Amino acid sequence: EIVLTQSPGTLSLAPGERATLSCRASQSVSNNFLAWYQQKPGQAPRLLIYGVSRRATGIPDRFTGGESGTDFTLTISRLEPEDFAVYYCQQYDTTPGTFGQGTKLEIK
Amino acid sequence: EVQLVESGGDLVQPGGSLRLSCAASGFTFSSYWMSWVRQAPGKGLEWVANIKQDGSEKNYVNSVKGRFTISRDNAKNSLYLQMDSLTAEDTAVYYCARTGGPGWQKGTNWFDPWGQGTLVTVSS
Repeated sequence: EIVLTQSPGTLSLAPGERATLSCRASQSVSNNFLAWYQQKPGQAPRLLIYGVSRRATGIPDRFTGGESGTDFTLTISRLEPEDFAVYYCQQYDTTPGTFGQGTKLEIK
Repeated sequence: EVQLVESGGDLVQPGGSLRLSCAASGFTFSSYWMSWVRQAPGKGLEWVANIKQDGSEKNYVNSVKGRFTISRDNAKNSLYLQMDSLTAEDTAVYYCARTGGPGWQKGTNWFDPWGQGTLVTVSS
């Protein structure tokens, strides 16, 4: 089973700043099978990114996914008030598909 | 509009059973793998089970194998999760999620969209 470790656990930033969230895999994730989700309190998760860097339908271009080896990143270029939430990465290369433990992005 | 609506969550005693349902609309249900994903209170996300378009293939996370059964009725655009021998560790919000793209053979995939979730509480 591939273990995903997200860092930091909590990220405190102000609106307008740039956010960089990390997700490290315990082994190689083939074929770019890595997704990112956003979850706000009391809501279901929402798909942001799939295939490492492909934005889902309706996702603003301030959200960018990238990778370097077994390290994956989600970058939010200029934080909007609605971006403060919990973010999860997920690998779907192997079964079971596994999630990271989440990064909470909070307002500073 | 693509929509998934779960129902059936409830308070149940340890060792009890529950059946969750998910009603799908706005897309060709029979073309997609479907999954259940759960989230314990204050915790992260855990994939629970998935089922192929025609129901011929099913997969489960190890912790629920032999206790949970996923099924679907394509004529009713509905997904189900039968949960037996429930324990406190099964307490969670259970989400129904469309999985991957239409006609895809790979069951393990991204989830989009998700339903609003239904809460299952296992407690005496």
